[in-house]
Amino acid sequence: DAGVIQSPRHEVTEMGQEVTLRCKPISGHNSLFWYRQTMMRGLELLIYFNNNVPIDDSGMPEDRFSAKMPNASFSTLKIQPSEPRDSAVYFCASSLARTNQPQHFGDGTRLSIL
Amino acid sequence: KQEVTQIPAALSVPEGENLVLNCSFTDSAIYNLQWFRQDPGKGLTSLLLIQSSQREQTSGRLNASLDKSSGRSTLYIAASQPGDSATYLCATGTASKLTFGTGTRLQVTL
Repeated sequence: DAGVIQSPRHEVTEMGQEVTLRCKPISGHNSLFWYRQTMMRGLELLIYFNNNVPIDDSGMPEDRFSAKMPNASFSTLKIQPSEPRDSAVYFCASSLARTNQPQHFGDGTRLSIL
Repeated sequence: KQEVTQIPAALSVPEGENLVLNCSFTDSAIYNLQWFRQDPGKGLTSLLLIQSSQREQTSGRLNASLDKSSGRSTLYIAASQPGDSATYLCATGTASKLTFGTGTRLQVTL
């Protein structure tokens, strides 16, 4: 069974550029989560979707961040314009909602904004 | 707002030792508590999930306990091995929203 797949694994870009991170959840999972991990703040939930609908985006840091889930097998997290303080590892995770099953994480995208 | 704390932040033990990692949380109204392992450059791998109605879960050499009333969980690793070296994170919260601790970085030496 394929796990959560994220792309790209690494992204280096210059300040001001648009960045798009992609995630394919595990087939059959109906909840999808985007997290950001930094040394200073640890792992923070940015947004989560249930059945493709955004449920809680209170962790999205500012309007420069947006996330979409057009179908059950694909989600994007976009940063426009990017800033150096956005540099972090971004993780996507998926799970079966309300089943007491754990979240399954992808390997993350390491983002560096110069 | 749920806050999760893990102590110690780092731990180094010789191979074969039994060890305990600690996790505390401020809001006892939790859905479950989860322990994850993170290897360098990788995502998180679920180790154990304890439902709010349970007291402990076991998987191989790992045993996790939960005391909701005191807001604590422990992860016990028996007979540690170099392959156990990783960062261990606990997380808890509602059915959909997890709050993570900052982790305990474990090194098991030969």
